[in-house]
Amino acid sequence: DAGITQSPRHKVTETGTPVTLRCHQTENHRYMYWYRQDPGHGLRLIHYSYGVKDTDKGEVSDGYSVSRSKTEDFLLTLESATSSQTSVYFCAIRDSNNSPLHFGNGTRLTVT
Amino acid sequence: AQKITQTQPGMFVQEKEAVTLDCTYDTSDQSYGLFWYKQPSSGEMIFLIYQGSYDEQNATEGRYSLNFQKARKSANLVISASQLGDSAMYFCAMREGWLYQAGTALIFGKGTTLSVSS
Repeated sequence: DAGITQSPRHKVTETGTPVTLRCHQTENHRYMYWYRQDPGHGLRLIHYSYGVKDTDKGEVSDGYSVSRSKTEDFLLTLESATSSQTSVYFCAIRDSNNSPLHFGNGTRLTVT
Repeated sequence: AQKITQTQPGMFVQEKEAVTLDCTYDTSDQSYGLFWYKQPSSGEMIFLIYQGSYDEQNATEGRYSLNFQKARKSANLVISASQLGDSAMYFCAMREGWLYQAGTALIFGKGTTLSVSS
């Protein structure tokens, strides 16, 4: 199994508070991704990274920011959480262009 | 327009039967990759099988095979001899331009729930 750890696994927070989710990998893979999963929508890309300090936006990036200061860590920040950001968040990694994504176990975030 | 379409919200099959999960895709790229993932009720995403757009043979991995029909832009997953443990959500996904684009992400369909009964 790919060494990907997401933390926390579960979080409940209040509307308007900032939240940071962490993705840590031990594989030294170049590419890292944040997706959210919602019923009826499948998985949608939030942000991705193709190297340290190199990040780009995905399909649903509004309200989210990311940072990657080290190869092994990719942080997702909800600047001011809203109820519409209640979701399951998955981090994924891959090492080369034709390899599949390997996913972490997800973080279930509830914004009340 | 949706890039990946999975038209079957739910499928029901009995043990030992074969089942086909449909996936159609939309791309103008010549180079792309197609993937299937399984998500059991425990929530993890498990990679099953991959097909490259230039691969001439259909991909197979154990009981999984991918029925790739390029002209129809379909990439159906076939599970032979279903087992109870196959009950899960299945996602089809595509990567466009995988040969040369750095950091290209996967685009996912909305998924199909497969229920296998004894």
